[in-house]
Amino acid sequence: DAGVTQSPTHLIKTRGQQVTLRCSPKSGHDTVSWYQQALGQGPQFIFQYYEEEERQRGNFPDRFSGHQFPNYSSELNVNALLLGDSALYLCASSRNMGRLGYGYTFGSGTRLTVV
Amino acid sequence: KNEVEQSPQNLTAQEGEFITINCSYSVGISALHWLQQHPGGGIVSLFMLSSGKKKHGRLIATINIQEKHSSLHITASHPRDSAVYICAVGGSQGNLIFGKGTKLSVKP
Repeated sequence: DAGVTQSPTHLIKTRGQQVTLRCSPKSGHDTVSWYQQALGQGPQFIFQYYEEEERQRGNFPDRFSGHQFPNYSSELNVNALLLGDSALYLCASSRNMGRLGYGYTFGSGTRLTVV
Repeated sequence: KNEVEQSPQNLTAQEGEFITINCSYSVGISALHWLQQHPGGGIVSLFMLSSGKKKHGRLIATINIQEKHSSLHITASHPRDSAVYICAVGGSQGNLIFGKGTKLSVKP
C-alpha cells in the first residue's frame, strides 16, 4: 500500500520563475493538504483540497495556487518565485478533510531552492 | 504567542535516559498529533490522540484536554531516536497547526 508520493524530491528554480509540485495521496484518502516548512521552523499550512475544491487556506499570497484531480492527486503551483519561497514543501493526505479524527499521512517533501 | 508551543527546543540525552517533550496549545482541537521528522524531511505520524494516553513500544503520549497540554515520553532512549519531534493540533475543520519542533539528540 503506497503512502503519499511527492515529486520531484528536489528542485532548483530562479527568482521570478514558476514551479509545480505534485502529490499522490495514500490509497483510500480523498483530502490533500500542503504545508511549507522553512529551515528550523514547523510546517505552515498553505491550503487543503477536498472534492477538487480548495476548502481552507492559510496565510499565503495568491502566488500560491493548487489543484486537485478526480483521482485525488494534487498540484501546488507557485508563481513569481521569491528567494523566501525556498523551503521544504510537504503534502499530507487524509480522509474527509481530516475531520472525525482521521489521521494524516505525510510525504517526504519537495525541497525547493530559489536562487 | 504561537498557538502551539513546544519545549524544550533542543534536547541532548545519553542513551538509556527517559525523555519528555512537552506541548501546550491555545486553540480548540479535535485531536493532537505527535510526529517525527528525520533529516531529509519526511514526517512520520507517531500518535494521534484526543484524550488519555497511548503507548507504542518505547513511546508514550499523554494529553490533558482541560489543561491543553500533551507530553511525549521516550523510555530507554537510543541514538536512533535522534530526530525532530513535532506536536501538531487538528482544528475542527481538519487543518493542522504545528509547533516548531523539538530537536532530540541521543548520544551513545
